[in-house]
Order: sequence, then structure tokens, then C-alpha cells
Amino acid sequence: AQKVTQAQTEISVVEKEDVTLDCVYETRDTTYYLFWYKQPPSGELVFLIRRNSFDEQNEISGRYSWNFQKSTSSFNFTITASQVVDSAVYFCALSEAYTGNQFYFGTGTSLTVIP
Amino acid sequence: DTEVTQTPKHLVMGMTNKKSLKCEQHMGHRAMYWYKQKAKKPPELMFVYSYEKLSINESVPSRFSPECPNSSLLNLHLHALQPEDSALYLCASSQGQGKAYEQYFGPGTRLTVT
Repeated sequence: AQKVTQAQTEISVVEKEDVTLDCVYETRDTTYYLFWYKQPPSGELVFLIRRNSFDEQNEISGRYSWNFQKSTSSFNFTITASQVVDSAVYFCALSEAYTGNQFYFGTGTSLTVIP
Repeated sequence: DTEVTQTPKHLVMGMTNKKSLKCEQHMGHRAMYWYKQKAKKPPELMFVYSYEKLSINESVPSRFSPECPNSSLLNLHLHALQPEDSALYLCASSQGQGKAYEQYFGPGTRLTVT
């Protein structure tokens, strides 16, 4: 079963628009960790954020914000006032404290910001 | 400094060649990873080293042979690869092997097997 679902395969927005990338996860562990990574065309995965299952506070970092809702098993990522440099593939990932080996990556969302 | 370096950036090899991919980190991380990523797919875990010992091998064919000479270096030795092994190979490191730790990735080696 897919543990992390990123239903949006590709998204295109015009520069300065806001965009939200969805991530829905599935786990039976009570302790788990959620991550977002950015992969620009150069290939390197860039770590953006880690969230613990026991910390439901939303977070804002500049133009980036994350909305963690355990009730809906979602960890969505919003980019405000998008820029061309935001064009990349974004991966959501889950790791479980007691089961599995390492990260379960979602299939990724390819974001294109059009100037 | 959250940098993981990988060499070479690109590699083209024949099916009978032997080559090695190299990865280095100087963050004092004790866990290092090899991933394989095909186009438009997420990374797939291949190997995990924790404190320089192989702790996870995700049923990777023996034509891929990892090596961890010390806590900062990770190699992936390649021999008798198949064209379907062409992919982006990513190295990552984390503070420990615990799943709470974020992984930091290198830029990858784009491998083409001819």
C-alpha cells in the first residue's frame, strides 16, 4: 500500500501566484516523521522541513509554509508568491519510528512556475 | 555546512566495465545511504551504512557493491551493469540512522550503461 500519496503529478502556476502541494500519508505508528524535499532540475534533493507526529504546529519559513493535520493525515506545503526558481519536483516523505526501514517517498509533484 | 559531494557527476560505462562512484561528507554524520532514482520516480533506497557498517541492503543485485572506508566516505563499486541500471545515483547522509533524522543528499551521479 502506498504510504505517501501526492495526488498532484504536475502543477503549473504563473509567477507570484500561491500554490499548495498536497501530501497524504498512511501509517499505524503513533510516532512518525514527515519531510519535504525539493529536487530542482540539477538533481540534488534539498531538505526543506521535518515534522514530528507529536508536533502539529504549522510552520512558516519565508514564502514557505506547512500545514500538518493529523486528523486528515495530511502535510501540505504552500508556496506564497511563487517564483521561477521554485520550479522543481517536490517530494513528501514519511519515516516510521517502529516499522519499515527508512523513508517512504511520495511520487512527487512537478511544479512549473511560468514567468 | 550541509554539503554532500559526489563524483563523478556523469558516467558512461559499458556492460563489461568496472567503475566506482564516490561520496563524501564532512558533517560528522554517522549514517550514509545510496539511492537509485529513475526519471520521474522517487528515489529508491539501495544501501544504508551506520557507523561504517552495512546495516541495510534492499535486495540489491551483487553487481552493485558498496564500501564505507571511513565515516566520511562512501563508495559504490559497479561491475557488469545492465542498461536498465542507467539512472541517477544519489548519496545521502544523516546524523544517525534513526528515522527521525533528515537526510542530506548530494547532487548525484548520472549513470548511463551502454
